[in-house]
Amino acid sequence: GAVVSQHPSWVICKSGTSVKIECRSLDFQATTMFWYRQFPKQSLMLMATSNEGSKATYEQGVEKDKFLINHASLTLSTLTVTSAHPEDSSFYICSARGPSGAYEQYFGPGTRLTVT
Amino acid sequence: QKEVEQNSGPLSVPEGAIASLNCTYSDRGSQSFFWYRQYSGKSPELIMFIYSNGDKEDGRFTAQLNKASQYVSLLIRDSQPSDSATYLCAANTGGFKTIFGAGTRLFVKA
Repeated sequence: GAVVSQHPSWVICKSGTSVKIECRSLDFQATTMFWYRQFPKQSLMLMATSNEGSKATYEQGVEKDKFLINHASLTLSTLTVTSAHPEDSSFYICSARGPSGAYEQYFGPGTRLTVT
Repeated sequence: QKEVEQNSGPLSVPEGAIASLNCTYSDRGSQSFFWYRQYSGKSPELIMFIYSNGDKEDGRFTAQLNKASQYVSLLIRDSQPSDSATYLCAANTGGFKTIFGAGTRLFVKA
């Protein structure tokens, strides 16, 4: 149980275009989801917390107009990287808060974004 | 600044030995603690969580929590080369935010 999927697993896009990444909880309902990015050999960096039916809460330094997050249902959150630039190339990982009440997170497999 | 600290490693142990991974946290209000395993190029995978003082065992893994010392550890018995990964410790204060440590790299030598 507690499986989170993410799509696509990798994407290459041209500079200036937008990319949408989907995160789904497959066997549980996730009121809260999280979006992280991770550069090679670095630790996870929380970008934003997404709550179903309300606006996402962004971490300091993360541009909310560039990284659009929508959490329209209890099983789906999306991250759209708008006007992507090469410096946005990274590993984007979503997670969903699990159903146990202990605040554990289950991670999706990640999306590797390359902007050319 | 709420922090979770881990030794970056690498921690190197021979196959079959016990690997001991340690973590300290700064926020005394932290209530739940988690260990994740992350293989290179992959996303983190939850190993186990603990919220009561003492030990919690799951297969070859034992998590230990000492709230007075603000210390969490993970023991891996009978370490295998497939256990070679980065292990992330995390703490949650009962709110929305979970603080992750930077991780300890474990290398199990065959």
